[in-house]
Amino acid sequence: GQQLNQSPQSMFIQEGEDVSMNCTSSSIFNTWLWYKQDPGEGPVLLIALYKAGELTSNGRLTAQFGITRKDSFLNISASIPSDVGIYFCAGQGTNAGKSTFGDGTTLTVKP
Amino acid sequence: DAGVTQSPTHLIKTRGQHVTLRCSPISGHKSVSWYQQVLGQGPQFIFQYYEKEERGRGNFPDRFSARQFPNYSSELNVNALLLGDSALYLCASSLGQGFNTGELFFGEGSRLTVL
Repeated sequence: GQQLNQSPQSMFIQEGEDVSMNCTSSSIFNTWLWYKQDPGEGPVLLIALYKAGELTSNGRLTAQFGITRKDSFLNISASIPSDVGIYFCAGQGTNAGKSTFGDGTTLTVKP
Repeated sequence: DAGVTQSPTHLIKTRGQHVTLRCSPISGHKSVSWYQQVLGQGPQFIFQYYEKEERGRGNFPDRFSARQFPNYSSELNVNALLLGDSALYLCASSLGQGFNTGELFFGEGSRLTVL
């Protein structure tokens, strides 16, 4: 089945630093999505990407849909303490209701 | 506007028992998907329902079943519970087919513990 490799598994950074995380797959996806999950809550959608090569920003967040359609990255600029959480990438094929998730990148921001 | 609501939020069952989890999607959303999230891992797709019909099924045994009602709410049923079924069960809603259905909106989940 489809699998996503998300890296790094965890990151410890200083407030104000930039962060980069990525996701790769052996399969092609039509859509890439990035979610953030806080403890005790469900994932919250941050950015959705629908076209290969697409670069999309949402505030301090920027994500790109890889040209090969097998990868995506998420950048967070000037991190703040509330960026702490688990970030998940997810890919979708032809069935948009079925998302394949990575195992997450746990971000810790030190003030 | 209310988001996706799930109930119960927490429950404890014993092996062999049955559980029913409930989900109400965002108003206007016609598609509901269920995911299982084991601690330390990403959510895993279980089912998707759209217009009361199953549109996708993940790699889960037949002990897992679901349905969607005319008001688009949904139930996930798990029979003959095993210890390994302990997880956070997430419901996600989306507008439905024909739209940018990639955008899933998740509830806070139902935390199931099987003893």
